[in-house]
Amino acid sequence: RKEVEQDPGPFNVPEGATVAFNCTYSNSASQSFFWYRQDCRKEPKLLMSVYSSGNEDGRFTAQLNRASQYISLLIRDSKLSDSATYLCVVNPSGAGSYQLTFGKGTKLSVIP
Amino acid sequence: SAVISQKPSRDICQRGTSLTIQCQVDSQVTMMFWYRQQPGQSLTLIATANQGSEATYESGFVIDKFPISRPNLTFSTLTVSNMSPEDSSIYLCSGQRGYQETQYFGPGTRLLVL
Repeated sequence: RKEVEQDPGPFNVPEGATVAFNCTYSNSASQSFFWYRQDCRKEPKLLMSVYSSGNEDGRFTAQLNRASQYISLLIRDSKLSDSATYLCVVNPSGAGSYQLTFGKGTKLSVIP
Repeated sequence: SAVISQKPSRDICQRGTSLTIQCQVDSQVTMMFWYRQQPGQSLTLIATANQGSEATYESGFVIDKFPISRPNLTFSTLTVSNMSPEDSSIYLCSGQRGYQETQYFGPGTRLLVL
């Protein structure tokens, strides 16, 4: 099983739609989780951290399910500007480790 | 957050030559990393740049090919040595303050080897 696995997509959704991405991770000791966004020909940028209790930032909601070892990202009311690749990122080694493992990303295209 | 800059932003090089990429962070970070990303592919970690000591390389990457320096907590360099067309890629550096914290990325260096 790959350390961090995502559906590569692409997800093609109309403006205003709600879209959800899931990501699974293999190391049950993982402690920290993030969603990054990467625009075409740009560097990855932090979208949001994922907390055990779940967290929301405007139209974006992230959830963590430790029992099933998956993370989700929900985008409501999609905008054209949301078109990007969304990377699931996990600290696979737990406490004391700095390294992050990046998923291959899920490509989202929001269509007018 | 941390603001990270990289130089050069892009370069076209001849095979057999070497290129040194610089990474500057606007504030001190504990860890710095170097990644490679092929177009449309995921990030691949090359090495962890350790301040004041030798870098820690991932499987498939060696110091002779990718020497790394990190003289202080805000600066690092990656050299791509004896380049071949297979080294054409985007090279990204990142900085991280504490464990379990996020990494911030530089804008990347686009390298094309002819």
